[in-house]
Amino acid sequence: AQSVTQPDIHITVSEGASLELRCNYSYGATPYLFWYVQSPGQGLQLLLKYFSGDTLVQGIKGFEAEFKRSQSSFNLRKPSVHWSDAAEYFCAVGGKDTNAGKSTFGDGTTLTVKP
Amino acid sequence: DTAVSQTPKYLVTQMGNDKSIKCEQNLGHDTMYWYKQDSKKFLKIMFSYNNKELIINETVPNRFSPKSPDKAHLNLHINSLELGDSAVYFCASSRSGGWTGELFFGEGSRLTVL
Repeated sequence: AQSVTQPDIHITVSEGASLELRCNYSYGATPYLFWYVQSPGQGLQLLLKYFSGDTLVQGIKGFEAEFKRSQSSFNLRKPSVHWSDAAEYFCAVGGKDTNAGKSTFGDGTTLTVKP
Repeated sequence: DTAVSQTPKYLVTQMGNDKSIKCEQNLGHDTMYWYKQDSKKFLKIMFSYNNKELIINETVPNRFSPKSPDKAHLNLHINSLELGDSAVYFCASSRSGGWTGELFFGEGSRLTVL
């Protein structure tokens, strides 16, 4: 069965500081990996995705993530956080052999940005 | 032009009532989903339809009945509402052919059962 663990429930960083959100996954084959962001009162928006190829993927809003197969990780990073990045972040795993494209989500990490 | 739209955005109702949430997508996708997000923000898939056919049905009480009149619409009807049904319900869509896994979410429908 596929699963996702986001070890950090809540992270606080100062504006301008760097950010890393952790994600570990369990999947029996080659995973498709995703990071979504949810701003307060909004739906989820895709930040970036990894299917294959270059293990460092770039996304929107200056985010990037690195796939490390040996560590079953897909951590999200941003070099300099802006106050507008305060939101809930979800990592998700799926794959083309899943049941009609079912994605499994982690429990989310809440990001607070201090001025 | 909203890609995935849900109505209503807010629902407040009494236990035992029946309610429906509607979802429409204008992205031309043929797969649609219902997700439930609880008060701790945990996100769980409930149902998925591909071209009007039910393809994912997680362990959800049969008080919840999805209906897809066409591939652009997916509705959720809930009978005999219970306190534990209070949550935010998200509709989402994706392409299925050459599935890329990217989900497009609506803004959610917040259901409060009193």
